[in-house]
Amino acid sequence: DTGVSQNPRHKITKRGQNVTFRCDPISEHNRLYWYRQTLGQGPEFLTYFQNEAQLEKSRLLSDRFSAERPKGSFSTLEIQRTEQGDSAMYLCASSLETQYGYTFGSGTRLTVV
Amino acid sequence: SQKIEQNSEALNIQEGKTATLTCNYTNYSPAYLQWYRQDPGRGPVFLLLIRENEKEKRKERLKVTFDTTLKQSLFHITASQPADSATYLCALDGYSGGYQKVTFGTGTKLQVIP
Repeated sequence: DTGVSQNPRHKITKRGQNVTFRCDPISEHNRLYWYRQTLGQGPEFLTYFQNEAQLEKSRLLSDRFSAERPKGSFSTLEIQRTEQGDSAMYLCASSLETQYGYTFGSGTRLTVV
Repeated sequence: SQKIEQNSEALNIQEGKTATLTCNYTNYSPAYLQWYRQDPGRGPVFLLLIRENEKEKRKERLKVTFDTTLKQSLFHITASQPADSATYLCALDGYSGGYQKVTFGTGTKLQVIP
């Protein structure tokens, strides 16, 4: 297992377009998290899956954001009608139990022009 | 409201010295407190976790203390090296909205000068 994998690493899109990111967690991890990080800030929680169930979604997440984790394996994060304020690093993390910490992927850098 | 505070100013120290980073929090009762390292353009890397009933945890040159009365954690790197230069994030693990999740501070940038 090579850790948490995120694709693509970079994405440049025009305002108003839809984008989708993929995260492949560590295979034995049942928990998967999406975070967003802007320059100079810490990662900000977006949503959390335990197996295939989406258990929590941040109130900061607008209806333009949706995440899925079919079959409890990989996850996708879709942003519809992107805005310039969506420009950020989108990080995925997985864990078995919180007491062992999270394993993060390298992130997807989104730039909306 | 819940708040996690880390020194936003960069910390510059001389190689070989001990670096001490601070994490303060309010309105939390965390079960765990975690420290991560983040390099530019990369995701955070988990370093250490300390439980609420533990005072101190060590791992090689790293030491973390956790004072639930002061609501503060200190993160020490002894015999610091230029390779330790990075941003260090404090993260609190607690329940919010009925589910357990980890909330991060803004991080402190450490620069170890050769």
